[in-house]
Amino acid sequence: TQLLEQSPQFLSIQEGENLTVYCNSSSVFSSLQWYRQEPGEGPVLLVTVVTGGEVKKLKRLTFQFGDARKDSSLHITAAQPGDTGLYLCAGVNNDMRFGAGTRLTVKP
Amino acid sequence: ETGVTQTPRHLVMGMTNKKSLKCEQHLGHNAMYWYKQSAKKPLELMFVYSLEERVENNSVPSRFSPECPNSSHLFLHLHTLQPEDSALYLCASSQDRGSGNTIYFGEGSWLTVV
Repeated sequence: TQLLEQSPQFLSIQEGENLTVYCNSSSVFSSLQWYRQEPGEGPVLLVTVVTGGEVKKLKRLTFQFGDARKDSSLHITAAQPGDTGLYLCAGVNNDMRFGAGTRLTVKP
Repeated sequence: ETGVTQTPRHLVMGMTNKKSLKCEQHLGHNAMYWYKQSAKKPLELMFVYSLEERVENNSVPSRFSPECPNSSHLFLHLHTLQPEDSALYLCASSQDRGSGNTIYFGEGSWLTVV
């Protein structure tokens, strides 16, 4: 079983703060994906990281894939209320296995 | 709009009912999936279809029965469900099965079993 542990489970912050959420596993993945899911909608892909140590930036979001391709982090700078949602990581080998997610609330 | 459409969006059913969830993808993809999303639990992969053939069934109870009549449509037939089956059921598709393929999710069908 390729379990992915996401932490923290819940995070509530004020607008303008920075935050980091984590995705950890004991399994190696060929790639790892991050999704954001807003209430009433399905998950939407944010980024795919493939190479160990890779860092990708998407505006205020920075994604990092661990050197051993077992873990990843998502850092958000100057969070905004529009960043509110459930952030899911998914490890990819032949199929995708998801973590339980981090539910982020950004208060104005 | 992700190109994956699910109906109904909300469904309430009794434990003795038979109902079906429908999924349609307009992306020309070859692989389709059913996932179950329950509160505080990871998304659970239920079924995978590749080129209309079921390639994975992750120990899902037989009260859930998938059907893939063609590469654009996927159904989940529901029969004699239990209250613990209440969850968000997500359909998804990708160009092909396997790593390197982006998965596109529908908006989900909220199922409540009473």
